[in-house]
Amino acid sequence: DIQMTQSPSTLSASVGDRVTITCRASQSISRRLAWYQQKPGQAPKLLIYKASTLESGVPSRFSGSGSGTEFTLTISSLQPDDFASYYCQQYNTYSMYTFGQGTKLEIK
Amino acid sequence: QGQLVESGGGVVQPGRSLRLSCAASGFMFSNYGMHWVRQAPGKGLEWVAFIWYDGSNKLYTESVKGRFTISRDNSKNTVYLQMNTLRAEDTAVYYCARDDSSGYFGSWGQGTRVTVSP
Repeated sequence: DIQMTQSPSTLSASVGDRVTITCRASQSISRRLAWYQQKPGQAPKLLIYKASTLESGVPSRFSGSGSGTEFTLTISSLQPDDFASYYCQQYNTYSMYTFGQGTKLEIK
Repeated sequence: QGQLVESGGGVVQPGRSLRLSCAASGFMFSNYGMHWVRQAPGKGLEWVAFIWYDGSNKLYTESVKGRFTISRDNSKNTVYLQMNTLRAEDTAVYYCARDDSSGYFGSWGQGTRVTVSP
């Protein structure tokens, strides 16, 4: 099975900061990676798919990059609405879809 | 974008059964594969099961194989998760999600809570 490891688990930042979250796969997944945002008590929301394609309606301050085993999600200038948890997910193998353990983005 | 609405959650004793439903609207349901994803209290997301657009193939995470069954009724725009022999570790919020382009989850329901407790 492919394991997904996110870092950091918790990130403290301020409004206006640029932040980066990293996701590593235990083996190559090409660019078959998605990122989700989840706020407390809500369902996850798709932000990015195919490693770098922004979902319709998602602000352009969100961006994704990477391929193979290492990926990043970057928020260029944090807004108050961005404080949430973020998950990566690989979909390279059809028999198993794996999420990272999540990154909680907190207000400093 | 579409809408997904789950139902059927509740409190159930270990060893008992529960069936979850997910009603879809606003998109051509019969064209999409569908997933169930769960989230235990305070924990991360865990993929549970997937069914092809036509119901011809089904996949499960290892911990639910033989206990859970995913199915769908395209005439009713609904996907189901039959959960048998429930365990305490199955306690979670269960989300249904639409499969977009073979593997990522483009649309999610609001979730239904399942609690397995004596």
